[in-house]
This record gives sequence, C-alpha cells and structure tokens, in this order.
Amino acid sequence: DAGVTQSPTHLIKTRGQQVTLRCSPISGHKSVSWYQQVLGQGPQFIFQYYEKEERGRGNFPDRFSARQFPNYSSELNVNALLLGDSALYLCASSIQGDEQFFGPGTRLTVL
Amino acid sequence: AQSVTQLDSHVSVSEGTPVLLRCNYSSSYSPSLFWYVQHPNKGLQLLLKYTSAATLVKGINGFEAEFKKSETSFHLTKPSAHMSDAAEYFCVVFVGDYKLSFGAGTTVTVRA
Repeated sequence: DAGVTQSPTHLIKTRGQQVTLRCSPISGHKSVSWYQQVLGQGPQFIFQYYEKEERGRGNFPDRFSARQFPNYSSELNVNALLLGDSALYLCASSIQGDEQFFGPGTRLTVL
Repeated sequence: AQSVTQLDSHVSVSEGTPVLLRCNYSSSYSPSLFWYVQHPNKGLQLLLKYTSAATLVKGINGFEAEFKKSETSFHLTKPSAHMSDAAEYFCVVFVGDYKLSFGAGTTVTVRA
C-alpha cells in the first residue's frame, strides 16, 4: 500500500518568493496535517484539515495557508518567504486525526 | 495544557544492551501518547501508541512503552539495541482533538 507522498523532495527559494508544497494522503484517510521541523527541533503543528475543512491551526503567521481538495490531497502555501522558513515540511494523514502517518517531507531552503 | 518532556537529549548505548528513553507528560485527563522515530533525512515513523486500552504497549522493532499514571511517565524501552536503532526519537501527545505536540527529541547513538 502506498504511504503518504509529498512533492517536491527538495526546494530552493529566495527571500520574498512564494512556495507551494503538495501532499497525497494514504488511501481512505480523510485528514491531512502539516508540520514544520526546523533543524535540531521537533516538528511544530501548522494546520489540520478534515473533510476539506480546516480543523485546527498552529501558531504560524498568515503567510502560511493550506487547503484540501475533494480527493483529500492537500497543498501548503507559504508567501513572502523568510530565511527562518527554511525547514523540513512534513505532511501526515490519518483517518480522523489522531494516529497520524507521516510522509518523507519536503526540504525547503530559503536563500 | 497537554505537553511532553523528554528527559534526555542524547542517549548512547552499546549494541546488544538495553535502551531506555524517558518521557514525562502533563495532562489533566488520560492522554493519547505516541512514540515516533526519525532516521537521518527521513520522515517520522510511528513506533507505538497508548490510548488507555493497556498500560504496557508493544510497538514495532521490539520497542515497548509503559504508561504510568502515578508517575506521569511514558518511557520507551528495548531489551537489546541494534545498530539500526540509531535515530532521533520523539515522545508525542495528542492535543485538542487535532494536533500532535512533540517533545524536543532524544538522539540515540549505538556503539558497536
């Protein structure tokens, strides 16, 4: 069975640019969550979507936005990139939100 | 607020010896707790979860954890470490019906 997939694997952007990260959940999972992991730290919660509705949002600025599509895949958008946005962005899927299965992540580098 | 504290930032063990990773939790009610492992440059893999069905939880790759309410702890153990166990381990609590809150992580080094 396919796990959670994310694209792209790596991304390099410059300050001020915008980026879109993509995630496909495990088949049958209706919830997608996004986390940011800065080097040397644990992941921090950004968003959770369930059945295409935003269920929760972490302490991140409005530059971060997300959406979930009818097929339950999801996109995370970050506008006006800052150097501090450099991180591993992890997507996780779950049936209803609790037991979450993670993808391999997208490594974003902002120069 | 629910949170977890991992008591060791780094643990070093010899191959074949036991591994103990310590985690304390803070919660006003019985929490859902997890341990995840992250190998270098990889995503997170679920090792095991506690959801109040049994206090001793068995996970993958020989790991297990015991939920102790009296000590507010959820320590992770493995009887015999393998070289492939070298990784970052995170103790995690499920918060507010939608998000996982991670501890700071424990780096495990396995010596040959």
